[in-house]
Amino acid sequence: QAVVTQEPSLTVSPGGTVTLTCGSSTGVVTSGHYPYWFQQNPGQAPRTLIYDTTNKHSWTPARFSGSLLGGKAALTLSGAQPEDEAEYYCLLFYSGEGVFGGGTKVTVL
Amino acid sequence: EVQLVESGGGLVQPGGSLRLSCEASGFTVSSYYMNWVRQAPGRGLEWVSIIYSGGTTYYADSVKGRFTISRDNSKNTLYLQMNSLRAADTAVYYCARGKFDCWGQGTLVTVSS
Repeated sequence: QAVVTQEPSLTVSPGGTVTLTCGSSTGVVTSGHYPYWFQQNPGQAPRTLIYDTTNKHSWTPARFSGSLLGGKAALTLSGAQPEDEAEYYCLLFYSGEGVFGGGTKVTVL
Repeated sequence: EVQLVESGGGLVQPGGSLRLSCEASGFTVSSYYMNWVRQAPGRGLEWVSIIYSGGTTYYADSVKGRFTISRDNSKNTLYLQMNSLRAADTAVYYCARGKFDCWGQGTLVTVSS
């Protein structure tokens, strides 16, 4: 089964911009992996931010955006807010089977 | 209101079985693909299984051959039958709809003697 890699931790200043990436052990991440991005706060269920690489749900703040960048899926947070401090997970699908990344702890400091 | 409510979690001995349920309201389970995702204590998310509207199913390698995903259209409910349970299966199990636009609250499964 493929391995999906994320940065373990990133720090961003309030109002700043940070990009999280999601790589695959099988090679380049494409739209065919249907990349998802989730936000999770301690003790809570995950919340989906991005699906199918770039698409947002109705509740996704405009400051979050998804893309493909340098062979990886990417989540960019522009204008970080204190409430964005959380764990972020990406999910890729490989011919029907999903694999989560290990998560990125984002600190807003 | 679209909602998913999991149930069926609990304490089970290694080698035992458990069936999780995920009751849907506000939409028809058979019209969407449905996922199970789990999270071990203090660990990250792990994708477990998916069932597509046509009935095709896929599983993570870690549960293949032991877990079975299914649905009962008459009860509008998704299931996860878990057999040959191991300590490593201890986790909160979540069901999620389609593009993960709706998640249940999770149900805790503890495998321990």
